[in-house]
Formats: sequence, C-alpha cells, structure tokens
Amino acid sequence: RKEVEQDPGPFNVPEGATVAFNCTYSNSASQSFFWYRQDCRKEPKLLMSVYSSGNEDGRFTAQLNRASQYISLLIRDSKLSDSATYLCVITRGFKTIFGAGTRLFVKA
Amino acid sequence: GAGVSQTPSNKVTEKGKYVELRCDPISGHTALYWYRQSLGQGPEFLIYFQGTGAADDSGLPNDRFFAVRPEGSVSTLKIQRTERGDSAVYLCASSPRQGGADTQYFGPGTRLTVL
Repeated sequence: RKEVEQDPGPFNVPEGATVAFNCTYSNSASQSFFWYRQDCRKEPKLLMSVYSSGNEDGRFTAQLNRASQYISLLIRDSKLSDSATYLCVITRGFKTIFGAGTRLFVKA
Repeated sequence: GAGVSQTPSNKVTEKGKYVELRCDPISGHTALYWYRQSLGQGPEFLIYFQGTGAADDSGLPNDRFFAVRPEGSVSTLKIQRTERGDSAVYLCASSPRQGGADTQYFGPGTRLTVL
C-alpha cells in the first residue's frame, strides 16, 4: 500500500464547476502537508500548504484532518487553466512523499 | 533570478551503460533533493543533501545509484549499469533551508531512456 493515496481520476468537469479531491496518508508521523500542481511534462509547483484549521487561497480551499489522516482540496469556479494533475504531498523527517496525483480536465 | 537547471534535458542510453545527471540549484540554496518520476506516478524521493552531505539517502533504490554534492552547490546523480526500469524523469529540487515541501523549487527534469 502506498503511503499517500489519491484517486487518479480523471475528473472531467465543465468550466465554473466545483470539484473536490481527496487524499489519505498512512503514517501518523507525517509532519507537513501540501498540494502541488503539475502540468503535462512540466515540473511540480507548490499550490498551497494544508493546515488543520483549513486554508483558502482564492478559489482553492484545503483542509487537513489529522485524526482521519485525510487531506482535501476544493476548487470553486473551475477555469480551463486549472486543467492539470494535482499531487498530494506529505513530509516526514527529511523526506517529501508525493501521491500519484489526480488528473483534472476542465472543459469549455 | 535563475531557477534550478538540470542537464541534459534528455538522455538516451543503452542497458548496462553508466550515466550522470547534473543539477544546478538556485544560488544560495543549501538543501537539494533528487526525485524520480515514472509515467503516471508522483515524484519518488531518492536523496536529500544539506550542504555537502547526504542527510537521507534512503530512497536510492539500490547500490547502482549514487549522488554527490562535493562543494555544496551542483549535484550529480550517477547511475551504474543502467537497466530499462531506470527509465524515468529525474527531478532535482533545491530549497533555501532545511524545511518542508513548501520551500522546494523544482528543475525541469532529465528524461532518461534506457534502451
């Protein structure tokens, strides 16, 4: 079983839709949590950090549930430019551990 | 300023050959990470350097893989006796400090193909 699990998708949504991604992690010693975005054949880039209190950045909202070892990402009012792979990321010690990613396609 | 650069961008080699992949981190960044990404997967942690020393090399898959960072800046990932299963994109990231994923800046990667 992988340490970080994500639904691979793809999620196909129309512009303007709200879409939610989930991620679970297996090691309770995980320390920090993030969502990264990766465009096709490009390097990953940080989207946002994730906290238990929840955090919002424009149309994006992330939430961490430590008790359930569950991380979520909500995208409101989807844009064509949101089409990408979204990677759930945890850190533990010096290691950064990525999930396999969830693919999102936003269509006009 | 300049970001993380990696060379070559593409490398095609034959099974059994030796390859070196280079990473130039952002100037002044003390932390450096190597990852391997296979098709349809997320980046897989290989090794982490803080300065010149490898603080965590537990992700290196076997003893054919080795990485160095002799002066605390440029790093080289070395793969001996390459196998077809080594084909992947090798990503490097640097960080201004030892920290979490939020401070990591990735290079564009080296696409390695082992025939």
